[in-house]
Amino acid sequence: SQTIHQWPATLVQPVGSPLSLECTVEGTSNPNLYWYRQAAGRGLQLLFYSVGIGQISSEVPQNLSASRPQDRQFILSSKKLLLSDSGFYLCAWSSFRAKNFGELFFGEGSRLTVL
Amino acid sequence: KQEVTQIPAALSVPEGENLVLNCSFTDSAIYNLQWFRQDPGKGLTSLLLIQSSQREQTSGRLNASLDKSSGRSTLYIAASQPGDSATYLCAVRFMEYGNKLVFGAGTILRVKS
Repeated sequence: SQTIHQWPATLVQPVGSPLSLECTVEGTSNPNLYWYRQAAGRGLQLLFYSVGIGQISSEVPQNLSASRPQDRQFILSSKKLLLSDSGFYLCAWSSFRAKNFGELFFGEGSRLTVL
Repeated sequence: KQEVTQIPAALSVPEGENLVLNCSFTDSAIYNLQWFRQDPGKGLTSLLLIQSSQREQTSGRLNASLDKSSGRSTLYIAASQPGDSATYLCAVRFMEYGNKLVFGAGTILRVKS
């Protein structure tokens, strides 16, 4: 069965510090991978998605970047965090193979507080 | 711009009631529609996926229907329980956007014991 792991679950970072959130998927190959942000009282915002290694599409101009160094690994980064980067970050994957065609599955999320 | 709207924004019902959550979307050209559940501070759990060629999907006490022509989907929860309390989100994969889902703002459900 497929699983998705995301870490760290919680972090508190000072303004101006770097960020690295990591996500890995197991049990499938060549998934589409996504990073979403859910700010307090707001809906889900798609930040980045990737259809393959090294292929990243950015949805919103911002202080963040994403990388996909391996097929099932997706990393969200920032060189210098802003207060506005605080939020709940969710990694997700989908596949277009016969089973679960196009279904989106989420990780448990990473709560980031920037002080 | 394609949008997904969920009504009501919040719902409080006594235990045992059958209830309906509504989702509307702006274009009938979709690949699929997916319903999720989110508990406070947690990730989203996929409940039901309806492909564009399907009319409904069922899982246990949950039944989701899809009417593409009218741009609507409903999630029916039978015999609600306090454990059903959560936020329910609807998401649509529009053909125009390919790989990306558009999410509704969600319905916050509280089932009182």
